[in-house]
Amino acid sequence: AQSVTQLGSHVSVSEGALVLLRCNYSSSVPPYLFWYVQYPNQGLQLLLKYTSAATLVKGINGFEAEFKKSETSFHLTKPSAHMSDAAEYFCAVSLGYSSASKIIFGSGTRLSIRP
Amino acid sequence: GAVVSQHPSRVICKSGTSVKIECRSLDFQATTMFWYRQFPKQSLMLMATSNEGSKATYEQGVEKDKFLINHASLTLSTLTVTSAHPEDSSFYICSARDLTSGGKNTGELFFGEGSRLTVL
Repeated sequence: AQSVTQLGSHVSVSEGALVLLRCNYSSSVPPYLFWYVQYPNQGLQLLLKYTSAATLVKGINGFEAEFKKSETSFHLTKPSAHMSDAAEYFCAVSLGYSSASKIIFGSGTRLSIRP
Repeated sequence: GAVVSQHPSRVICKSGTSVKIECRSLDFQATTMFWYRQFPKQSLMLMATSNEGSKATYEQGVEKDKFLINHASLTLSTLTVTSAHPEDSSFYICSARDLTSGGKNTGELFFGEGSRLTVL
């Protein structure tokens, strides 16, 4: 069965520093993987997705993620953190390829940015 | 991207009453919508899959008589929390896929803004 594990429930970085949020997946078939961001009391916004095309995926707000099959990882990075990046980040996997396929979320990582 | 809208964004009700939350796809049609529940500082838990014109599919452990789901049209799904109790207080979020590109599944779900339910 597919699942995702996010390492680190809370990550704190200085403004301007590298952001690295870790996600490992488990899947018996090539996965669809996603990173979503959630601001307080709001829904989720898609940052980026991997759907078996390029392994390095670029998303919005300067974020990118690299799919590494050998490591079963899909870590999220951003070269230089901005105060506005403070939010909750969720890694997710789709349980199939059909339009009705469910998406399962990791436990989330709260990103804090220090001035 | 596609827009999904939820209403109301916040609702406070008394214990024992029922509350309806609406989820609409504003610029696309959705044969399938997904309802999630989120407790404070926790991840999203999938509650059920809402299917247009047929019964919803509930995840294990979710009471279908407590959480009634109706997907009467291609742009509207509703979640009704029946006889609400304080333990039902939570953040409920709906989502859907946009398949207008020839029905191709592009993978991602688009999420509503969420509805915060507080049961007194």
